[in-house]
Amino acid sequence: ETGVTQSPTHLIKTRGQQVTLRCSSQSGHNTVSWYQQALGQGPQFIFQYYREEENGRGNFPPRFSGLQFPNYSSELNVNALELDDSALYLCASSPGTGGYGYTFGSGTRLTVV
Amino acid sequence: GQQVMQIPQYQHVQEGEDFTTYCNSSTTLSNIQWYKQRPGGHPVFLIQLVKSGEVKKQKRLTFQFGEAKKNSSLHITATQTTDVGTYFCATNFGNEKLTFGTGTRLTIIP
Repeated sequence: ETGVTQSPTHLIKTRGQQVTLRCSSQSGHNTVSWYQQALGQGPQFIFQYYREEENGRGNFPPRFSGLQFPNYSSELNVNALELDDSALYLCASSPGTGGYGYTFGSGTRLTVV
Repeated sequence: GQQVMQIPQYQHVQEGEDFTTYCNSSTTLSNIQWYKQRPGGHPVFLIQLVKSGEVKKQKRLTFQFGEAKKNSSLHITATQTTDVGTYFCATNFGNEKLTFGTGTRLTIIP
């Protein structure tokens, strides 16, 4: 059984650019959530996808958007990057929505300069 | 908004000593989950508690959910260097959003 894989592992972007981060969920998991973790902080919920539909969203602006594909893999897109977007972006998958433990990927470290 | 607080923020213990972190909410929780994040790593799911007063054990780790379902604790007996990391509690607050606590960073003095 494969876990959650994320790509790329590290990324450096310039302010104003756009970025796409990718996530492959664990086999058998149909729900994917994305989190932003700033240095020294806990993960902050961005949004969740269940069966290709957005199923909940945290306090993030619309320039954070996502997709989930039929194979349950997912993308996180961030437009008009700001310096404060520099963080570790974590993808987590679960067998369903709510009430399950989440399996996290190793994350993408995004640096905006 | 809804949040969970953890104390202490940091804990330094001598190897072999016990360690406890506490998680508190002002509202009743439907569940509580615990995660461990090693330095430079990602959160790893440890356990979920759902019943009032529930106690679960994993080797040297003991997890408790309060009777009122507003607090939880994680206790580690006889800490080892492999226990180093940040321990987070987290809850769904009854919806799809997993809200993490503020975390307790554990360091071990050999």
